[in-house]
Amino acid sequence: TQLLEQSPQFLSIQEGENLTVYCNSSSVFSSLQWYRQEPGEGPVLLVTVVTGGEVKKLKRLTFQFGDARKDSSLHITAAQPGDTGLYLCAGVNTGGKLIFGQGTELSVKP
Amino acid sequence: DSGVTQTPKHLITATGQRVTLRCSPRSGDLSVYWYQQSLDQGLQFLIQYYNGEERAKGNILERFSAQQFPDLHSELNLSSLELGDSALYFCASSDRRGRETQYFGPGTRLLVL
Repeated sequence: TQLLEQSPQFLSIQEGENLTVYCNSSSVFSSLQWYRQEPGEGPVLLVTVVTGGEVKKLKRLTFQFGDARKDSSLHITAAQPGDTGLYLCAGVNTGGKLIFGQGTELSVKP
Repeated sequence: DSGVTQTPKHLITATGQRVTLRCSPRSGDLSVYWYQQSLDQGLQFLIQYYNGEERAKGNILERFSAQQFPDLHSELNLSSLELGDSALYFCASSDRRGRETQYFGPGTRLLVL
């Protein structure tokens, strides 16, 4: 069974701080996706990383896919209250299924 | 707005009952996926339909079933409901070329009392 472990599960920080969320697995994925989910809404895709070692930037968010395509990280620089939400990583297996991590609940206080 | 619609938004029912959740995919999307999100299990894949046919199955209970109709909308049927079935149920759709990008609907919050 393919599993994705996210850490930390909860993160509460002050506006302006930096943070990193990790997503780890013992399995190899064909690609990995990061989603953000706000209360009462469905997850929204932020980025897909495909190549081992790939780094993608989305404004203050930096996503990295591990060289072995088993892990990923999301780094947020100078977090803002608008970044508050549930961040989910999801590995795409060879069958095209999404395997989700448990999520990281981020709270950014002004 | 992802373009995926789900109804109803909220549903409250009793144990033993049966409910139907409805999903309309984005225009042109042929694949529909159903997920269950609970506090203890996280977001779990239930089942996928592609152009009316079942394509993949995940952790779907035998009490649950789904179908996709000719107009591509999908329904998830949950029967003999138990307290533990209380959760958010999401539908997602993907584009006609079947790539991995899935667009999620706003979800149906089910509460079984």
